[in-house]
Amino acid sequence: NAGVTQTPKFRVLKTGQSMTLLCAQDMNHEYMYWYRQDPGMGLRLIHYSVGEGTTAKGEVPDGYNVSRLKKQNFLLGLESAAPSQTSVYFCASENPRTQGYEQYFGPGTRLTVT
Amino acid sequence: AQSVTQPDIHITVSEGASLELRCNYSYGATPYLFWYVQSPGQGLQLLLKYFSGDTLVQGIKGFEAEFKRSQSSFNLRKPSVHWSDAAEYFCAVVNTGGFKTIFGAGTRLFVKA
Repeated sequence: NAGVTQTPKFRVLKTGQSMTLLCAQDMNHEYMYWYRQDPGMGLRLIHYSVGEGTTAKGEVPDGYNVSRLKKQNFLLGLESAAPSQTSVYFCASENPRTQGYEQYFGPGTRLTVT
Repeated sequence: AQSVTQPDIHITVSEGASLELRCNYSYGATPYLFWYVQSPGQGLQLLLKYFSGDTLVQGIKGFEAEFKRSQSSFNLRKPSVHWSDAAEYFCAVVNTGGFKTIFGAGTRLFVKA
């Protein structure tokens, strides 16, 4: 099993450009999450999904959109990137029924917006 | 609102010395508590978790943590640190009502030879 994978690993954007980050998991997990990690702030939840076709806002959703058309994929979109979105983005998945809220993380995407 | 506090931004210990990383939480009910480790350039990996029962829980890589309800704490310990333990450590609490995990800001561990 590959676990949780994220594409791309690195990206540099100019202000106003758009991009999509892809997260894929092969563990058949119901829940998926997008976090951003900034120095001294831990992980902050952007959006999450508790099943295929459903999404919800987290703590810092502004400027981001998500979609979960397939159970194994969770996409994070930036429609018009801003320098404040420079961060490391992590995707995670979870199956609370079988693994008690343990989250499995991808390796991260480092995004720089200039 | 639920919260997790890790008072130490960074800690330096000598290889072979003991380690304790502090974590305090604010949560109304019995919490589900976690410690995760993040090696440089990697995602987070679960070290251990506490749901109920024995308040001393064992994890991977020789780590353990003790839940103390009276102090609202869940400190992580290791009796003898190895250079490979240098990483960032995150304490977390699960909001079982909202399907969301709240993470602390993290403690970066440096290990000196």
